[in-house]
Amino acid sequence: AQSVTQPDIHITVSEGASLELRCNYSYGATPYLFWYVQSPGQGLQLLLKYFSGDTLVQGIKGFEAEFKRSQSSFNLRKPSVHWSDAAEYFCAVSSGNTPLVFGKGTRLSVIA
Amino acid sequence: DGGITQSPKYLFRKEGQNVTLSCEQNLNHDAMYWYRQDPGQGLRLIYYSQIVNDFQKGDIAEGYSVSREKKESFPLTVTSAQKNPTAFYLCASVHFGTGELGANVLTFGAGSRLTVL
Repeated sequence: AQSVTQPDIHITVSEGASLELRCNYSYGATPYLFWYVQSPGQGLQLLLKYFSGDTLVQGIKGFEAEFKRSQSSFNLRKPSVHWSDAAEYFCAVSSGNTPLVFGKGTRLSVIA
Repeated sequence: DGGITQSPKYLFRKEGQNVTLSCEQNLNHDAMYWYRQDPGQGLRLIYYSQIVNDFQKGDIAEGYSVSREKKESFPLTVTSAQKNPTAFYLCASVHFGTGELGANVLTFGAGSRLTVL
């Protein structure tokens, strides 16, 4: 069965610092991988996705993620965090037409 | 604008009552999903439907029921059998395809927060 692990429940970074959120997945075939962001009390917004091809994918709001098959990872990065990036971030995996399986999320706090 | 509309945004229920959460999409998406979100638990799948008049149980279907009589609508009923229904409920939809822009990417509604008093 598919599963997603986000090891960090809560991360605090200073504004302007770099960010990396970790995601590890368990899936037999080539996965479809996603990162979503959620502001409090809101739905989820897609940041970026990986289906195939170039393993470094660019998303919205200056985020990027790298698919590493050997490590079963899909970590999210941003070179310089803004206060507006404070939110909850979810990694998810599917096979394409199967329901998404989500990690438990990482809450990001940004301090001045 | 195309999107997913969930209503109501906030709902209060007394124990023993059934409530229905509405989810409507005008994206012409094939599949629709209901997820439940609890703090620290991520999103857990309740039910999903890939075609009209057909739906499948997700990981936590007990105490919930759904219908899919129209492509654009996928209401969720939280029954009195659901032991702990207080949660944030998210509806999502997706178009399955190969190569089309936006295919295979879930679009989410804004959510409905249910509180049992």
